[in-house]
Amino acid sequence: AQKVTQAQTEISVVEKEDVTLDCVYETRDTTYYLFWYKQPPSGELVFLIRRNSFDEQNEISGRYSWNFQKSTSSFNFTITASQVVDSAVYFCALASSGSARQLTFGSGTQLTVLP
Amino acid sequence: DADVTQTPRNRITKTGKRIMLECSQTKGHDRMYWYRQDPGLGLRLIYYSFDVKDINKGEISDGYSVSRQAQAKFSLSLESAIPNQTALYFCATSVAVSNQPQHFGDGTRLSIL
Repeated sequence: AQKVTQAQTEISVVEKEDVTLDCVYETRDTTYYLFWYKQPPSGELVFLIRRNSFDEQNEISGRYSWNFQKSTSSFNFTITASQVVDSAVYFCALASSGSARQLTFGSGTQLTVLP
Repeated sequence: DADVTQTPRNRITKTGKRIMLECSQTKGHDRMYWYRQDPGLGLRLIYYSFDVKDINKGEISDGYSVSRQAQAKFSLSLESAIPNQTALYFCATSVAVSNQPQHFGDGTRLSIL
């Protein structure tokens, strides 16, 4: 079985602060894929990034960066200089190439950026 | 137009009623999924379909059924709705490769009184 844990249920920061959202995963498969999705107040789910298990390079996209560490089974997401528009629920998810063939979501982290 | 369209967007109904939620896609993806979202639980998979003849139960299929009418259409039915099925329901699609992201519809907010 696979599992994704997002221990931070809610985070509040003031605009321009940096914030890191934690994601810890469990899987027995050696090949797997990690994803982050954003759910703004309007409710839709927006794909942000995918990371393969064999690629531990960190990635930066504008104010967003992702830190993937297989040694600690973590795939953390950092927003630099947060903005009010970053307020949303963020989900981490895991898909394995094995028999599961399913996307397992964490419970999400509600990020509120205050002006 | 949206690539993954869910109808209705909102529905309020009574216990015991039969409900159908519909999903259609223009992305040409083979795989389609139904999830429900409850506060504090994230998204949980109800059913998934890898093609028109391949339908599989997900984590929480009890009380639900599905129909894959065509590659582009995947419907979710609640045969006899109960209040604890009140949730936000999402349809998603993907190509037939595990490492590709799923693309979600805008969701259907279902309330069962």
